[in-house]
Amino acid sequence: IAGITQAPTSQILAAGRRMTLRCTQDMRHNAMYWYRQDLGLGLRLIHYSNTAGTTGKGEVPDGYSVSRANTDDFPLTLASAVPSQTSVYFCASSASGGLQETQYFGPGTRLLVL
Amino acid sequence: QKEVEQNSGPLSVPEGAIASLNCTYSDRVSQSFFWYRQYSGKSPELIMSIYSNGDKEDGRFTAQLNKASQYVSLLIRDSQPSDSATYLCAVKGGANAGKSTFGDGTTLTVKP
Repeated sequence: IAGITQAPTSQILAAGRRMTLRCTQDMRHNAMYWYRQDLGLGLRLIHYSNTAGTTGKGEVPDGYSVSRANTDDFPLTLASAVPSQTSVYFCASSASGGLQETQYFGPGTRLLVL
Repeated sequence: QKEVEQNSGPLSVPEGAIASLNCTYSDRVSQSFFWYRQYSGKSPELIMSIYSNGDKEDGRFTAQLNKASQYVSLLIRDSQPSDSATYLCAVKGGANAGKSTFGDGTTLTVKP
């Protein structure tokens, strides 16, 4: 069982370019999340999805979009990258988004926008 | 005021000592509290969760929750060099419902 996979592992991106970060889970979890983690800081929620077909905005959604066409995949798109989007991006999932559920994290994507 | 605040680090303790990590939260109706460990360059992994006031023990780890004081802590007994990592406090419930709010983390170094 792989859990959560993310691709790419790392990327250097020119400002203004479009980029999609991929996230796939094989745990059949309903809830999925995208976080960014800037150096020395905690995780900030970008977008989330409680079930396939629905998405919601987190704490820092500007400049990002998501879709949830099926249970397993939750891609994050940067429409026009800016240097302030340089960060480590973590995808996570939980069974149904309940209050006592553990979140499981993917290995992360390290993104540098120049 | 940040929603979730952790004691500023870095925290350094000698091997075998007790490490104490603290976290306060601002939303009084928060209901679930989690401690994640994050090794450098890796993703967070859950080590403890607590939902009721009091202590919860799991091996060398003890989580303590005091909802009246809006305070949650993590004690690591007999600290080992392998415990050296950043510890993230996360809170769920209240205004943010099922979504987690994370603190900035406390970096712990256990010196042999």
